[in-house]
Amino acid sequence: DVKVTQSSRYLVKRTGEKVFLECVQDMDHENMFWYRQDPGLGLRLIYFSYDVKMKEKGDIPEGYSVSREKKERFSLILESASTNQTSMYLCASSYQGNQETQYFGPGTRLLVL
Amino acid sequence: DAKTTQPPSMDCAEGRAANLPCNHSTISGNEYVYWYRQIHSQGPQYIIHGLKNNETNEMASLIITEDRKSSTLILPHATLRDTAVYYCIVRGIGGTSYGKLTFGQGTILTVHP
Repeated sequence: DVKVTQSSRYLVKRTGEKVFLECVQDMDHENMFWYRQDPGLGLRLIYFSYDVKMKEKGDIPEGYSVSREKKERFSLILESASTNQTSMYLCASSYQGNQETQYFGPGTRLLVL
Repeated sequence: DAKTTQPPSMDCAEGRAANLPCNHSTISGNEYVYWYRQIHSQGPQYIIHGLKNNETNEMASLIITEDRKSSTLILPHATLRDTAVYYCIVRGIGGTSYGKLTFGQGTILTVHP
């Protein structure tokens, strides 16, 4: 079974703090994704990576950065957390095959005070 | 990616089949139909996907009409644990989007005892 794990299920941070969210997958997937999910706005792509050290901006990259130093690990960084970054953060991974099914982690619910 | 239309909510009795419809009348020839579900406060779970043939796995069956403009997800024997939001997604594979997923509002399926 594909397993995608995220470092925390729940996180509370203060405005201005630097926040690291980690995602690890054990299926040797090339692609990894970070989304955020908010009520009424659905799923929005923040960043994705299709290889080690490669990254591409998604639809809402402002205020975020990412790091992919190893194939199995994809980190999302909030350089200076703000209250509008309070959200559910979801990591996903997939092969670069013909049918790129994405598998999601359990999510991290981040509250920025 | 093609837009999908799903009913906002459905009910089902435990042990009965749950049939969840999805309309995707603008689907193009190289787009797949994917189904995910999301149980409250958890990450989305992949269920099944197909191109034009009906598909079945250990979780569900996917019936796609011959013109591919609609599909039905079937949970053959619904249980209380199947209560979730079900998302129907139509997306192409490959290309420059690297498979960004876009979830609509989905169908809230409630399974009753």
